[in-house]
Amino acid sequence: GIQVEQSPPDLILQEGANSTLRCNFSDSVNNLQWFHQNPWGQLINLFYIPSGTKQNGRLSATTVATERYSLLYISSSQTTDSGVYFCAVGTPGGSEKLVFGKGTKLTVNP
Amino acid sequence: EAQVTQNPRYLITVTGKKLTVTCSQNMNHEYMSWYRQDPGLGLRQIYYSMNVEVTDKGDVPEGYKVSRKEKRNFPLILESPSPNQTSLYFCASSLSYSREVFFGQGTRLTVV
Repeated sequence: GIQVEQSPPDLILQEGANSTLRCNFSDSVNNLQWFHQNPWGQLINLFYIPSGTKQNGRLSATTVATERYSLLYISSSQTTDSGVYFCAVGTPGGSEKLVFGKGTKLTVNP
Repeated sequence: EAQVTQNPRYLITVTGKKLTVTCSQNMNHEYMSWYRQDPGLGLRQIYYSMNVEVTDKGDVPEGYKVSRKEKRNFPLILESPSPNQTSLYFCASSLSYSREVFFGQGTRLTVV
């Protein structure tokens, strides 16, 4: 099945810094999503982005499907950005599920 | 407000005592699924449903049952819970499996 690798596994920032999280996948996808799991365990959908670029406030994401990667950018980070960021993908003609990466744990210090 | 609602949020139970975790969505989504999240293993799909009366196994279905009698509800049933089912459970829904997914708040289950 498709493999999803996220990097870095851990990231520590000072408030106000920018960061880039990466998601590599091993096969063609028709579905790619980024999620944020906050310290209370809630999973929030950040972006549905099988291709192209999207922006939402301080966050933006780019997926280059032909090169099999996606990037999540966080600018001017805040302590509330802390948590784990997951990338999840689905494949055309594959099983009806999302395959999740292991996540990037982000800690933003004040 | 569009949402996926799970209940209960926290549950401690004993081995062998049947339990049900409810899940309901108000977005008229066709696709619903259950995941469990464990340290070091990430998120794994338990069961999914493409539509009413259509369910199928995910990656880790053993020890679980589901039903989809109505579009909005997708309960997860543990007939005889065991300690290895202690986990954080999430219900999710989307228009279809390849569309944007929305998760419930999670249910933290402990089986002693």
